[in-house]
Amino acid sequence: GAVVSQHPSRVICKSGTSVKIECRSLDFQATTMFWYRQFPKQSLMLMATSNEGSKATYEQGVEKDKFLINHASLTLSTLTVTSAHPEDSSFYICSASKPGQGAAWSNQPQHFGDGTRLSIL
Amino acid sequence: EDKVVQSPLSLVVHEGDTVTLNCSYEVTNFRSLLWYKQEKKAPTFLFMLTSSGIEKKSGRLSSILDKKELFSILNITATQTGDSAVYLCAVGIQGAQKLVFGQGTRLTINP
Repeated sequence: GAVVSQHPSRVICKSGTSVKIECRSLDFQATTMFWYRQFPKQSLMLMATSNEGSKATYEQGVEKDKFLINHASLTLSTLTVTSAHPEDSSFYICSASKPGQGAAWSNQPQHFGDGTRLSIL
Repeated sequence: EDKVVQSPLSLVVHEGDTVTLNCSYEVTNFRSLLWYKQEKKAPTFLFMLTSSGIEKKSGRLSSILDKKELFSILNITATQTGDSAVYLCAVGIQGAQKLVFGQGTRLTINP
């Protein structure tokens, strides 16, 4: 069954709107979650690492004021695309790893949510 | 810069054929290599490889890693139309909780 749940699956909104996407880990606690963006026919590009209780770590070239990440609990991370514009239209996907033995995250694969297709008109 | 390169980028075969997908990598501090299958939505996990030479198998799919040559292959035997998807290779970096993805191989299986 699903390990990571993402909501909503589809958003269509006008330019200038802020959009919030939720990512939940199901039946496990995730101190770290990851947010990716995927443009059509391209691979996944990591945007940021979401850390529970602390600031997110953004990849080079990703505007932290544009893409706000909040990881307020051990099972929920949110990505808010602020003042979205057509160029922000993309497929946004989150992931998390289940806790493992020993080095907690290093021997567990990342599991992905179903993604959110964002279309800004 | 950490890099993962997949080949071919696109592959079209007939049902029943066997295919081999390739993934090479250059990373500063290798931890693991993962294969994912992506259809219309998000990627689904197939395999995680950490040791050289140990084949992982699941039904008609199998994968192996060569850490000396910095290379992995994903084999699919007796392909079916349901195998049509984008196959993504990703490398986990030691000390950093993130994955670096390749461009993906778009596999199309024709009946």
